[in-house]
Amino acid sequence: QKEVEQDPGPLSVPEGAIVSLNCTYSNSAFQYFMWYRQYSRKGPELLMYTYSSGNKEDGRFTAQVDKSSKYISLFIRDSQPSDSATYLCAMSKTGTASKLTFGTGTRLQVTL
Amino acid sequence: DGGITQSPKYLFRKEGQNVTLSCEQNLNHDAMYWYRQDPGQGLRLIYYSQIVNDFQKGDIAEGYSVSREKKESFPLTVTSAQKNPTAFYLCASSMGTGDEKLFFGSGTQLSVL
Repeated sequence: QKEVEQDPGPLSVPEGAIVSLNCTYSNSAFQYFMWYRQYSRKGPELLMYTYSSGNKEDGRFTAQVDKSSKYISLFIRDSQPSDSATYLCAMSKTGTASKLTFGTGTRLQVTL
Repeated sequence: DGGITQSPKYLFRKEGQNVTLSCEQNLNHDAMYWYRQDPGQGLRLIYYSQIVNDFQKGDIAEGYSVSREKKESFPLTVTSAQKNPTAFYLCASSMGTGDEKLFFGSGTQLSVL
């Protein structure tokens, strides 16, 4: 079993929909949680970063961490075609990039 | 514009050949990383470097080598010992290894002829 599980999709939604992307993990020591967005054949870019449990909002994006359930989510409100990309979750026990564990990514398609 | 430049975008390797992927950053970041991305797998760390002239193996270092002679540059060599080199290779940097916020380049797709 992988340490971080992420549904590969693809997830197809109409423009304007609310999107929910999720990751589950098995290591209860993870404290730092990130979401990266990756367009096709490009490098990932950091979208959201949270420490420990709780919610964090940035524009149309909300990151949610539930450590008791070992479950993190990324919500996208008013989704746009430009949101079509692969979304990678990543997490670590310490604040060190060399110890990050990545999910496999969920491919999102927002249709007109 | 500050960022990370990877070249080439596409690279082909013949049997038994070593190839080198270039990575340059002008973000003045201390730490640099190489990841490999395969379909259906998360990013896997190959090597990382915290300072010039020092680097550490990641999870899948076998068949790869790196150097860090300058702060800005962290080239990756895929040697003939790497039997399954076809993948998308990503270079990244961060301010320091105590900082988990990674900045990525645009990647190099390596394929075997």
